[in-house]
Amino acid sequence: GAGVSQSPSNKVTEKGKDVELRCDPISGHTALYWYRQSLGQGLEFLIYFQGNSAPDKSGLPSDRFSAERTGGSVSTLTIQRTQQEDSAVYLCASSLAGPKSVYEQYFGPGTRLTVT
Amino acid sequence: QQQVKQSPQSLIVQKGGISIINCAYENTAFDYFPWYQQFPGKGPALLIAIRPDVSEKKEGRFTISFNKSAKQFSLHIMDSQPGDSATYFCAACGGAGSYQLTFGKGTKLSVIP
Repeated sequence: GAGVSQSPSNKVTEKGKDVELRCDPISGHTALYWYRQSLGQGLEFLIYFQGNSAPDKSGLPSDRFSAERTGGSVSTLTIQRTQQEDSAVYLCASSLAGPKSVYEQYFGPGTRLTVT
Repeated sequence: QQQVKQSPQSLIVQKGGISIINCAYENTAFDYFPWYQQFPGKGPALLIAIRPDVSEKKEGRFTISFNKSAKQFSLHIMDSQPGDSATYFCAACGGAGSYQLTFGKGTKLSVIP
């Protein structure tokens, strides 16, 4: 079956512009996660969705970052007024719900964001 | 702050050798420890994972060793192959309804023929 897909694969934007990044999780996965991978760094958690609700937004770095999920499927991560420090690979992951399954997170290929 | 410390940062191993990557954690609430493999331009792929009720888990050439008292776990890749060349991340998860994975900073493995 299809894995997690993300679009666009690459995005170059000018400082101050808004960007939207999209994630399509694996079919049937009700849990969805966004992570950020900066050059030379590990992966940094941003936000977790269970269905359309986001019980954990603790990793969003500032109020310029927001995310939503509709229909329990597709999610969009929006970065407003982009800054150069936002340049990174943004990764989406999904998993089944449930206490044993929720940790098994499957990642998409990521969106490489470059802010010039 | 929750942290997972990973070493070494990079590793060069001869084909057929054993690759060993180590991780240490502080948060005793963690109860799931996965390893991810990432090739350039790709997302991380779940490789193998362990829960703290066992000390070792083996899947093919990949083995996780877990030492709960020392709060350390490691990945062993037996008979390393050039195709294993990738960046490996350890991670940890768990506690207080938290489902976020906390990652180590990664180890870049190069297996040379």
